[in-house]
Amino acid sequence: AQSVTQLDSQVPVFEEAPVELRCNYSSSVSVYLFWYVQYPNQGLQLLLKYLSGSTLVESINGFEAEFNKSQTSFHLRKPSVHISDTAEYFCAVSDSDKIIFGKGTRLHILP
Amino acid sequence: ETGVTQSPTHLIKTRGQQVTLRCSSQSGHNTVSWYQQALGQGPQFIFQYYREEENGRGNFPPRFSGLQFPNYSSELNVNALELDDSALYLCASSLEGGEYTGELFFGEGSRLTVL
Repeated sequence: AQSVTQLDSQVPVFEEAPVELRCNYSSSVSVYLFWYVQYPNQGLQLLLKYLSGSTLVESINGFEAEFNKSQTSFHLRKPSVHISDTAEYFCAVSDSDKIIFGKGTRLHILP
Repeated sequence: ETGVTQSPTHLIKTRGQQVTLRCSSQSGHNTVSWYQQALGQGPQFIFQYYREEENGRGNFPPRFSGLQFPNYSSELNVNALELDDSALYLCASSLEGGEYTGELFFGEGSRLTVL
């Protein structure tokens, strides 16, 4: 079975500073990877996904993630965070009939 | 188009009771998945319904059951509630194959507290 590991439960970062949220997945022949975001008091939303092709994928609000097969990682990055990025971020992987989520990383933006 | 709506948003039950949670899927979606999100954890897959049939199940006991109706709305039923069932229950709707594309659309959840 597939799995993902998010090593950081919380990440504090100053506004306008860069951030990286780490995610490692269990090795597999083929893998579909996702990042979801959960804003306060809202449901989860798909932020970006890697299915195939280019290993660098981007979201519309400036986040990007890179699929690294050799390191089995799919880290999420943003060069400059904004207060509105305050949320919980979940790395996830497709596993046949379901999506498996990590435990989440809470992003705290400091003024 | 309307999004995924869940009801009730909050409820409190006692051990041994039964609960029914409801989900209206997004217009045009024929697949519904249910997840349990305990405090401080990621969502855990309970089961998926596709065209009124259970189409996959996670590691949850049989007292967790579900239904999907012809209009693709869904219910999650939990019998003999235990304290550990306290969690946020999330419903996600999608087209078939959403588990491969990641195109799941989540509701805001039903927060269940078991005393």
